[in-house]
Amino acid sequence: GENVEQHPSTLSVQEGDSAVIKCTYSDSASNYFPWYKQELGKRPQLIIDIRSNVGEKKDQRIAVTLNKTAKHFSLHITETQPEDSAVYFCAASPGFKTIFGAGTRLFVKA
Amino acid sequence: NAGVMQNPRHLVRRRGQEARLRCSPMKGHSHVYWYRQLPEEGLKFMVYLQKENIIDESGMPKERFSAEFPKEGPSILRIQQVVRGDSAAYFCTSSPGQGQGNEKLFFGSGTQLSVL
Repeated sequence: GENVEQHPSTLSVQEGDSAVIKCTYSDSASNYFPWYKQELGKRPQLIIDIRSNVGEKKDQRIAVTLNKTAKHFSLHITETQPEDSAVYFCAASPGFKTIFGAGTRLFVKA
Repeated sequence: NAGVMQNPRHLVRRRGQEARLRCSPMKGHSHVYWYRQLPEEGLKFMVYLQKENIIDESGMPKERFSAEFPKEGPSILRIQQVVRGDSAAYFCTSSPGQGQGNEKLFFGSGTQLSVL
């Protein structure tokens, strides 16, 4: 089955800096890669996703890249703000089951 | 269009009691997934159901845990004889179905189970 590894587990950045979170997956059948943001005590919220036929996708300050050959994908947040502080989860799906990484706790210091 | 509805929001049980967690998927969604999130940990897949069918229960403990999604009514995750280690947030998600474009998961607000 699919296995998703996520690094780092904790990331602390200064406000305005960039943050990068990296994930690898094992199942070459995975073709959908969403990223979720979870604030304390709340449900995970989808922030961006990418499919395997695309190498990069941007949405304002957030971008995702996918290297299908190497089976890794990354989340990039530019110009970080204190409200970006949360836990971020990457995930991989072969179409019927989504497997999540262990999460990255991002702290943005003002 | 209401989102995924879960209840109760918080559930307190004593060791040995039963816990029943309910999930109503988004309107038009026929696929339900349950995930468990232990404190300070990630989301672990438990079970994937369609109406009246368990598709994949590979993430669910073999004993004490069961899930159903009847033809009518919400999906139920049932935990019998709860132990302290069952304390966690249980999230339900739903999707329209299989196929490209249908993998987006919509999470409910979760049920926080506390076992005393």
